[in-house]
Amino acid sequence: NAGVMQNPRHLVRRRGQEARLRCSPMKGHSHVYWYRQLPEEGLKFMVYLQKENIIDESGMPKERFSAEFPKEGPSILRIQQVVRGDSAAYFCASSLVAGPVDGYTFGSGTRLTVV
Amino acid sequence: KQEVTQIPAALSVPEGENLVLNCSFTDSAIYNLQWFRQDPGKGLTSLLLIQSSQREQTSGRLNASLDKSSGRSTLYIAASQPGDSATYLCAVMNSGGYQKVTFGIGTKLQVIP
Repeated sequence: NAGVMQNPRHLVRRRGQEARLRCSPMKGHSHVYWYRQLPEEGLKFMVYLQKENIIDESGMPKERFSAEFPKEGPSILRIQQVVRGDSAAYFCASSLVAGPVDGYTFGSGTRLTVV
Repeated sequence: KQEVTQIPAALSVPEGENLVLNCSFTDSAIYNLQWFRQDPGKGLTSLLLIQSSQREQTSGRLNASLDKSSGRSTLYIAASQPGDSATYLCAVMNSGGYQKVTFGIGTKLQVIP
């Protein structure tokens, strides 16, 4: 079991470009959560998805950010027209049960740097 | 709105000491509480998960306790080692159906050889 896989590990984008972050949950997990960690700040919830459905996107900025978790393939967090303030570590977690009542399993994160 | 506070923000101890990290939360109606370790530039590693019905969990040199009524959890690390140096995060999940998890900012621990 490879665990939660995120790629790329590091991503550099110029202002105005698009960033695509991918997350493959643990085998058998159908619940995916995206969090953002700004320097010297705690992890902040962004979005919770199940296969083909967005359950809660209350933590995600309404503009430029979108997320999906298709029937086949990884979950994608997409940031359009990136700005310097988007520079952060983005973590994906998955769980077997909604909630996650059995705790989170996190990926290693994608560190986005906007130059 | 749930708020999670971790004290101290940073801690430096000599190798071999026993230490306690604190986590407090404002809403006691929680479902579970999870302690994580984060190494610099790395992801989060789950250490211990305590369900709301439990008082403590143990794994090796780690022991986590939970007192829901007072809104507190402690992570006890026995016989600290330099390899324990990392940031320790506390995460709280509220009860009452699906709820997103609230994280503390963490305690940065340095164990000096």
